[in-house]
Amino acid sequence: DTGVSQDPRHKITKRGQNVTFRCDPISEHNRLYWYRQTLGQGPEFLTYFQNEAQLEKSRLLSDRFSAERPKGSFSTLEIQRTEQGDSAMYLCASSPSREADTQYFGPGTRLTVL
Amino acid sequence: AQSVAQPEDQVNVAEGNPLTVKCTYSVSGNPYLFWYVQYPNRGLQFLLKYITGDNLVKGSYGFEAEFNKSQTSFHLKKPSALVSDSALYFCAVRAGYNNNDMRFGAGTRLTVKP
Repeated sequence: DTGVSQDPRHKITKRGQNVTFRCDPISEHNRLYWYRQTLGQGPEFLTYFQNEAQLEKSRLLSDRFSAERPKGSFSTLEIQRTEQGDSAMYLCASSPSREADTQYFGPGTRLTVL
Repeated sequence: AQSVAQPEDQVNVAEGNPLTVKCTYSVSGNPYLFWYVQYPNRGLQFLLKYITGDNLVKGSYGFEAEFNKSQTSFHLKKPSALVSDSALYFCAVRAGYNNNDMRFGAGTRLTVKP
């Protein structure tokens, strides 16, 4: 499968713990996006990378959230001191430079904070 | 900021009948408009997009959408619905090429009954 992959697919954690999610974009896609989706809502933009540079961050991305893409390939999203309100599906998407307006989504990581 | 509205939470149609899923948008400047479909336990799949050109856009699986600038709408259509089209459909808008903050609607659940 050459699509966007995300790991893990499901994560259950206790409030106050730190969690980290990984996204592997489609090979050679230089743009990578993170979104959060809660039940009954559409995805909400969190942040955007072009290669290794984080170029945009939503105000939704609080100080407890940090994203990296150190080598311009895979990306990680870390949430520190998780809260119950962080429970959501975290989606990753990527797009190629030649078709930068179209984003291809991964299956998501479902986070449950107890 | 840009936004989209999907006025119907649920659309029910009979197999073989035409279907329409509605979307209206608000954006400063020229809109980039998208439709995505989400099946259970799977990521969002790209259906079609409008960037410029012909107002009628054709996409995957026999879907099409019509861009109407005066009505600020981008309704998704299909001439003959299939049971397998049953899924959650999301409309999304970006405010131009250099704006990476894509805003999604809340989604419309389409149910096609045999």
